[in-house]
Amino acid sequence: AQSVTQLDSHVSVSEGTPVLLRCNYSSSYSPSLFWYVQHPNKGLQLLLKYTSAATLVKGINGFEAEFKKSETSFHLTKPSAHMSDAAEYFCVVSSDYKLSFGAGTTVTVRA
Amino acid sequence: GAGVSQSPSNKVTEKGKDVELRCDPISGHTALYWYRQRLGQGLEFLIYFQGNSAPDKSGLPSDRFSAERTGESVSTLTIQRTQQEDSAVYLCASRLRAGGSNEQFFGPGTRLTVL
Repeated sequence: AQSVTQLDSHVSVSEGTPVLLRCNYSSSYSPSLFWYVQHPNKGLQLLLKYTSAATLVKGINGFEAEFKKSETSFHLTKPSAHMSDAAEYFCVVSSDYKLSFGAGTTVTVRA
Repeated sequence: GAGVSQSPSNKVTEKGKDVELRCDPISGHTALYWYRQRLGQGLEFLIYFQGNSAPDKSGLPSDRFSAERTGESVSTLTIQRTQQEDSAVYLCASRLRAGGSNEQFFGPGTRLTVL
């Protein structure tokens, strides 16, 4: 069995400040982990994925995530938020064929 | 190259009518998934296809929902006797192969509104 918990349903940051989106997972297997972003009225887009090659994963648009097995976490960060980062973010765990999605974190960016 | 496409993009129907939603996956992708996303909520897994067989239908909410896939190509999700609670965005995704770190590529979704 596998599951994902996104610890914050809503995160609000000022433009230019860091963003932290928290994700904890549980999995019976060595998981693959993903972060997806969904902009309003747009499709889901892959931000980054963990493939066991490196624990610190860099993605698109300046985002990165660190896999911490001891903490079963895969938190997403960005050093400096931009207005265009306002969106819904989903943490996803995959083992075998099935992907399990977190409930999502809505990010708002204040000017 | 072409991504995952879905049609129609929007569908408005009356309660009790049947609807059919279509998904064209990326060519060569063997795995295909359907999800439902209600307003303001996360993705709810409906069904998984490997080729044209569906080893996991556990997410289909009732026997009004069914899906099929032709080979490793088009899939259709059919909802019979639609109800207002079926209103949602229905997302299709495909993967080169199931498992591991293979990325799921999502279509733009079909927004279904049941009046």
